[in-house]
Amino acid sequence: KNQVEQSPQSLIILEGKNCTLQCNYTVSPFSNLRWYKQDTGRGPVSLTIMTFSENTKSNGRYTATLDADTKQSSLHITASQLSDSASYICVVSARNYGQNFVFGPGTRLSVLP
Amino acid sequence: ETGVTQSPTHLIKTRGQQVTLRCSSQSGHNTVSWYQQALGQGPQFIFQYYREEENGRGNFPPRFSGLQFPNYSSELNVNALELDDSALYLCASSPGTSDGWEQYFGPGTRLTVT
Repeated sequence: KNQVEQSPQSLIILEGKNCTLQCNYTVSPFSNLRWYKQDTGRGPVSLTIMTFSENTKSNGRYTATLDADTKQSSLHITASQLSDSASYICVVSARNYGQNFVFGPGTRLSVLP
Repeated sequence: ETGVTQSPTHLIKTRGQQVTLRCSSQSGHNTVSWYQQALGQGPQFIFQYYREEENGRGNFPPRFSGLQFPNYSSELNVNALELDDSALYLCASSPGTSDGWEQYFGPGTRLTVT
């Protein structure tokens, strides 16, 4: 069964600190992996998308890594800001015809002053 | 803002009633996908429409149905509402059906079934 797991479920950090969120997946065959940021009550917004051949991709203070061999990805946030408080969702696409996205449950990040 | 709009923002319905949710896709996008997101969980795929035809469906019963119009806007209809249907309903549009395309999500409709 195609699944995406994320850890931790929730995380609290102080403003200015760094943090790393984890994503493990069993989706096969793998096509690409995305990280989304979702503010409370809003739709998800894309941060990064990585294909099989990409190991690292950055978007400002967000850096995603992908290890396709171990089927793991991480999202590293540097110098956190209060506005980083949100849920971060890992989404994996299976290489089938069309769009077949499997969403993780998300990690709820709270950044405190 | 992604350019994807949804209406209404919030909705309260009674068990057994029917509801219609609406989504306007981003300009130039011909593909709309609908998702159900329960509190504290990730979105679950309901179905996708491409050029007015259903193009894939998740594990949802037939009382969840949809439409896509010539302007690529879309509706999600849910009949015989159940308490478990309470969730945030998200639509996402993309320029095509390939999984390489980015999906742009709307702000969602919060449905509460009492």
